[in-house]
Amino acid sequence: KAGVTQTPRYLIKTRGQQVTLSCSPISGHRSVSWYQQTPGQGLQFLFEYFSETQRNKGNFPGRFSGRQFSNSRSEMNVSTLELGDSALYLCASSLILAGNQETQYFGPGTRLLVL
Amino acid sequence: AQKVTQAQTEISVVEKEDVTLDCVYETRDTTYYLFWYKQPPSGELVFLIRRNSFDEQNEISGRYSWNFQKSTSSFNFTITASQVVDSAVYFCALYRIQGAQKLVFGQGTRLTINP
Repeated sequence: KAGVTQTPRYLIKTRGQQVTLSCSPISGHRSVSWYQQTPGQGLQFLFEYFSETQRNKGNFPGRFSGRQFSNSRSEMNVSTLELGDSALYLCASSLILAGNQETQYFGPGTRLLVL
Repeated sequence: AQKVTQAQTEISVVEKEDVTLDCVYETRDTTYYLFWYKQPPSGELVFLIRRNSFDEQNEISGRYSWNFQKSTSSFNFTITASQVVDSAVYFCALYRIQGAQKLVFGQGTRLTINP
């Protein structure tokens, strides 16, 4: 089985721009979660989608949004980019059994640099 | 609130030594999962092990073993006969089964195995 894929792998943007990141989960996985990793804050949960619905959301401003499509692929959007948004954005997919997530498997991440 | 603490920021050992990574967690939940992930320089988080809070049996899987003690809220991870390829950042994580289903990560331990 192919693993979680994320595109693009690297991205450079300037302040004020917006960016869209894409994640394709492992085949059969319907839950997709997004995490932000920075040297200062570590790994932080952004949100989780299941069956095209956002089930959980972390403590991030409304500039961070996402969606999930019927094929379980997910996109994450950040509007009005700030320097502090520079980070590695990781996507993870998992099965849902009895309403609960199973192990999350991560993609290679998208490294975003905001100038 | 959930919290995971990895007190060891960096560990450096010589190849073939055994090394233990410490993890202490806080949660009021009675059921939860604990994980260890490895992050090599490429950035992808690689799943290593998962343990259910109901199962305190400690196991060995190849060169990996773990010691889960619910009484002290610790979930330590040991690599036996370390190899240079084990060099990476290791993350301990807690996952709630009820409530907001997300991974809460520790700050990570950077492990360097020297030849």
